[in-house]
Amino acid sequence: DGGITQSPKYLFRKEGQNVTLSCEQNLNHDAMYWYRQDPGQGLRLIYYSQIVNDFQKGDIAEGYSVSREKKESFPLTVTSAQKNPTAFYLCASSPGLAGPVDTQYFGPGTRLTVL
Amino acid sequence: ILNVEQSPQSLHVQEGDSTNFTCSFPSSNFYALHWYRWETAKSPEALFVMTLNGDEKKKGRISATLNTKEGYSYLYIKGSQPEDSATYLCASYVDGGGNKLTFGTGTQLKVEL
Repeated sequence: DGGITQSPKYLFRKEGQNVTLSCEQNLNHDAMYWYRQDPGQGLRLIYYSQIVNDFQKGDIAEGYSVSREKKESFPLTVTSAQKNPTAFYLCASSPGLAGPVDTQYFGPGTRLTVL
Repeated sequence: ILNVEQSPQSLHVQEGDSTNFTCSFPSSNFYALHWYRWETAKSPEALFVMTLNGDEKKKGRISATLNTKEGYSYLYIKGSQPEDSATYLCASYVDGGGNKLTFGTGTQLKVEL
């Protein structure tokens, strides 16, 4: 069954701790994305990667880091420098071939709560 | 328009009603307009991608139109059903935003029996 998996579904961390959110896809997509959703706001792009070993900052990259060592994996680390980490995090992927018309396929999301 | 905006923010309709909502986006350097449906406890899923002025797309009871010159798209749902209840997101490329989509805040639709 092809798709995108994110784990865990819910995550609780103490303030000041780094935490890594997992995102895996078996769609053979080149591009992957991390979004954050807060109440009353649209999805905001944190980081994206168009190819293995390369990634770019999105609109709200401060306090986050990513890696793209494998095509199927794009983990997101929320560092202690992120001032407001409690949010819902969505990972997505797209074939990466069609640029602006590429459809993005989303995972189920991880809700992170920092206590 | 400098950003992607959607209206209304939320909508309650009765089963069988037809409804529509709006997405406004920057018309300069337009490339594509995406519509996604996001049901509660599920992942957002793609409905349409539109690129040409005057484009119309249809999937069952849901259709969308595109006006790239004035920077808006309408999503229509004919004969709403409870299973249409979801948040409908639109997204476009914003000038100066790089090779990435900018999403609107969504229209939350609730269809009541």
